[in-house]
This record gives sequence, C-alpha cells and structure tokens, in this order.
Amino acid sequence: QSVLTQPPSASGTPGQRVAISCSGSVSNVGSKYVYWYRQLPGTAPKLLIYTNNQRPSGVPDRFSGSKSGTLATLAISGLRSEDEAEYYCAAWDDSLRAWVFGGGTKLAVL
Amino acid sequence: QVQLVQSGAEVQTPGASVKVACKASGYTFTTYSMHWVRQAPGQRLQWMGWINPGNGNTRYSQMFQGRLTITRDTSATTIYMELSGLRSEDTAVYYCARDTGNTMPFHHWGQGSLVTVSS
Repeated sequence: QSVLTQPPSASGTPGQRVAISCSGSVSNVGSKYVYWYRQLPGTAPKLLIYTNNQRPSGVPDRFSGSKSGTLATLAISGLRSEDEAEYYCAAWDDSLRAWVFGGGTKLAVL
Repeated sequence: QVQLVQSGAEVQTPGASVKVACKASGYTFTTYSMHWVRQAPGQRLQWMGWINPGNGNTRYSQMFQGRLTITRDTSATTIYMELSGLRSEDTAVYYCARDTGNTMPFHHWGQGSLVTVSS
C-alpha cells in the first residue's frame, strides 16, 4: 500500500526554506485533499496541514501546504532546530477505499 | 481538552489475537469518527480502519479484512481494536486517532500501544 511517494530525507540550515514533496495519483492526491503530519521520535504524529493548505490553530505560519495536480508540497520557512522530525503526507484513495500515507521524509536541520 | 489514552504494551505469540483499548475524554464521544493506524518499526504509518462511535459503523482497510475488528463501548467512551491471526509482521505501535469533522482526519492521537508478536 505504498501509493504516496516522498523523498526519504531533506535538510536545511537554520533560517532556510525547505520543501518536501508528496507525489500521488489521480485516485488520491489528484482528486482528494492532502494532509501533512509531523512525528518526533517515540511520539504520536501531529496534524500540521489539513485540506491541502490550512493550518490547525497553534501551528505557526512558517508551515504551508500546496497542491498542483498529483503533487503536493509542504514548505517550511525560517527553519529551526526543533523542526527536525519525520514528515508524512496522507490522502484518501478512491481506488483502494482507504487512507494512504507517504513513506515519510526525515528532515535534518544542519 | 481531548484526551485519548491507550492500553499498555502487549506481547503475543504468532497465531494469537490482541485487543487494544483507547479511552476518550474531553468531548462528546459519539460525535467524531475514530481510526486505528499502525507503525511497524522504521516503517510508514498504515491506516487500518475506522469506526463511527455514534452508530458503530465500521470500515476496514482491505489489508486487514477478516482479521480486524473495531468496536466501541459508548458507556465507557472507549474504542477497541482486535487483530487476530497475529504474525511477526504485525509487530508495531498501534495508535487510535480522532477526526475533527470531515476536514481534519487524525487530528488527535493516542499515545500508542506497542504490540510485539514473538514466539
């Protein structure tokens, strides 16, 4: 069930902007909302972006989401050391009739 | 505030079943759908299924059809995930997660329950 593809790793220096991609297909990203989650080691994921580009209350505006066709992107600006985490995208898949997650991207702040 | 508190770690032998609980508090239990998501060591998140606590309706991922049962106890404000026919590949942290409306899936998460399948 590996239908959303993310790069396994990304990195940036403090203050930089980093973008993490999530590639899917017409049955998921191309026709459904995309969601982004952040997971710190040993903890549960946290909702970061919902319905492609909305932030839940408490999530800083340094985090933004976008989508074009079957590609979604999470952008983090003003990178901080505490942004080091694993980031996952998710979407409903109409063909599988299931929620699907990306493989995760481990972000390092150098 | 919303709290989802899960039952503790379990060790099971291959072929056995496991039942994990998730007790909800801080909101009206029957209002929002609840999911089970698992994460094997070093692996991606994997959606297992969901339940509507209001009417008990469920939907399961085809990957777990026939082995997975999600139930709820409204008086105890608790949902349960039972997985049968355990194999070593089922070793994972199992999370419950609550939606908020139709636009915020997996908004609130439990702390996770480690299930280890080993002979």
